[in-house]
Amino acid sequence: GQSLEQPSEVTAVEGAIVQINCTYQTSGFYGLSWYQQHDGGAPTFLSYNGLDGLEETGRFSSFLSRSDSYGYLLLQELQMKDSASYFCAVPNQAGTALIFGKGTTLSVSS
Amino acid sequence: DTGVSQNPRHKITKRGQNVTFRCDPISEHNRLYWYRQTLGQGPEFLTYFQNEAQLEKSRLLSDRFSAERPKGSFSTLEIQRTEQGDSAMYLCASSLEGLWRYTFGSGTRLTVV
Repeated sequence: GQSLEQPSEVTAVEGAIVQINCTYQTSGFYGLSWYQQHDGGAPTFLSYNGLDGLEETGRFSSFLSRSDSYGYLLLQELQMKDSASYFCAVPNQAGTALIFGKGTTLSVSS
Repeated sequence: DTGVSQNPRHKITKRGQNVTFRCDPISEHNRLYWYRQTLGQGPEFLTYFQNEAQLEKSRLLSDRFSAERPKGSFSTLEIQRTEQGDSAMYLCASSLEGLWRYTFGSGTRLTVV
């Protein structure tokens, strides 16, 4: 089977840096994705790591270590609008659809 | 590119009634997915289509659920004889084959009373 573990909640202040970790167990590995979802909104794609290392997109970066079955999402220069739920996801064993973690709720305060 | 559209946005139904949701994916995307999301949880995979073919169904998709994607365009998800446990947000997503970048619709929130 497959499983993903991520913290349920993270809190931070504006301007800070926060890291959201994700560990996964999967039989076949096709990459690690991250999605953001605001309350009442649709999940939106943030990043995808198919290979080890760091991918940077503006204030957001994502890291993958396949040997450790571990990745993280790094959010820098936090803004109030970053308050949302963040989900890591991996393709299922058949490589046909994404399996999502339970999500990490990020609360950014001023 | 108008994104993924889902209708209706909200649906309240009495237990035992049938409901149908519609999803219009991004036209260039050949893969379409249905997910269910409950409060505090991540999206749970239900089923996916490649073009008009339904290629995989989750064990979550009981016999009361059926999905179609005629002509490989829009898709419908029908729930028959709804139960209170069916109350959830039903999300549709589309993607290009081989890419793990999903575009989700805003979902249909189903409440079974």
